[in-house]
Amino acid sequence: EDQVTQSPEALRLQEGESSSLNCSYTVSGLRGLFWYRQDPGKGPEFLFTLYSAGEEKEKERLKATLTKKESFLHITAPKPEDSATYLCAVRSGGGADGLTFGKGTHLIIQP
Amino acid sequence: DADVTQTPRNRITKTGKRIMLECSQTKGHDRMYWYRQDPGLGLRLIYYSFDVKDINKGEISDGYSVSRQAQAKFSLSLESAIPNQTALYFCATSDSRQGTKNIQYFGAGTRLSVL
Repeated sequence: EDQVTQSPEALRLQEGESSSLNCSYTVSGLRGLFWYRQDPGKGPEFLFTLYSAGEEKEKERLKATLTKKESFLHITAPKPEDSATYLCAVRSGGGADGLTFGKGTHLIIQP
Repeated sequence: DADVTQTPRNRITKTGKRIMLECSQTKGHDRMYWYRQDPGLGLRLIYYSFDVKDINKGEISDGYSVSRQAQAKFSLSLESAIPNQTALYFCATSDSRQGTKNIQYFGAGTRLSVL
């Protein structure tokens, strides 16, 4: 059974204070690790997908990295508008076609 | 206009009632999905469909049914709603032509309360 664990559950940072969110996973044949952003009252918004260990993707202040057991979402010099819940999900080679999600990290950036 | 549209956005119903949640998309994607999100549990897959003739159960399909009326429309039904089906429901779509780069795009969600 695929499993995704995100930590921490919640994180409060000052504006400009860089940090990282963790996503550890166990999956039978990884076919993609996905990061989404979810704002209150909205659906998840796609950020990144990673497919193999060592891969990195960047978008503005966000950078996602992948190893064989975990992924990190690095946030550099965050701004209040980066406040959201960040979801990690995996797609495996077996079973259903859908994604297996972690519970998310609720990030608050204080001005 | 949103590429993935869910209706209604909010719904309150009573135990035992049959209700339907609808999803339509203009992205031209062939695959569609239904998830539910509960506080502290994350999103879980209910059903998914590869095309109009191919529907599959997900992790938590008991108590739910689906219908793929057309490539662009995928509805979720609760035959006899119960209070523990109170949750946020999301529809998602993806394009199988992307192969392994199969990104799922989500609608804005339907908040369902069963009293």
